[in-house]
Amino acid sequence: GQQVMQIPQYQHVQEGEDFTTYCNSSTTLSNIQWYKQRPGGHPVFLIQLVKSGEVKKQKRLTFQFGEAKKNSSLHITATQTTDVGTYFCAGLDGSSNTGKLIFGQGTTLQVKP
Amino acid sequence: GAGVSQTPSNKVTEKGKYVELRCDPISGHTALYWYRQSLGQGPEFLIYFQGTGAADDSGLPNDRFFAVRPEGSVSTLKIQRTERGDSAVYLCASSTRGRGSGANVLTFGAGSRLTVL
Repeated sequence: GQQVMQIPQYQHVQEGEDFTTYCNSSTTLSNIQWYKQRPGGHPVFLIQLVKSGEVKKQKRLTFQFGEAKKNSSLHITATQTTDVGTYFCAGLDGSSNTGKLIFGQGTTLQVKP
Repeated sequence: GAGVSQTPSNKVTEKGKYVELRCDPISGHTALYWYRQSLGQGPEFLIYFQGTGAADDSGLPNDRFFAVRPEGSVSTLKIQRTERGDSAVYLCASSTRGRGSGANVLTFGAGSRLTVL
């Protein structure tokens, strides 16, 4: 079945450094979503990418969807302590019509002040 | 309601017991999802409802797990003969369907933490 993999699993950065997490799917996706989960919280939606090669920005966050619609990345410029949490990508299988959204295992970001 | 509501927030039970977890989605959201999240892992898909019917239940681990959504709103996840390995946070999420910008975007509840002793 469809698998979504994320790397790295953990990342520790100094405040002000950049951070990137990568997401790869075993199947072509119709769209990809990114969620953030703060420690002790639940996943909260950040953004959805639909088009091949799409790039979207939210302040210091840049999201990309690969040309083949099988991979994605999230890049944070100049991290802040408020960026701490686990970032999940979630893919909607392009060959499935059921709306089943599969999550990666997440990248946990720690930011040292 | 304004958000996705899940009850109970915490449930401690003994091995072999029956457990029900309830989810009340956002009003008007036709799609409802159940996920299971273990410590340090991503949400693991269990089942997805579109309206009253289970559109995809391929993630249910075995026949001890069952979920219903009889009126297309509130859903109940039922676990029979609980095992220690069932301990996890059970997350419910809801969404709209279709082609609008919010379609298929999940709003999660706070989760029900299940501990099986």
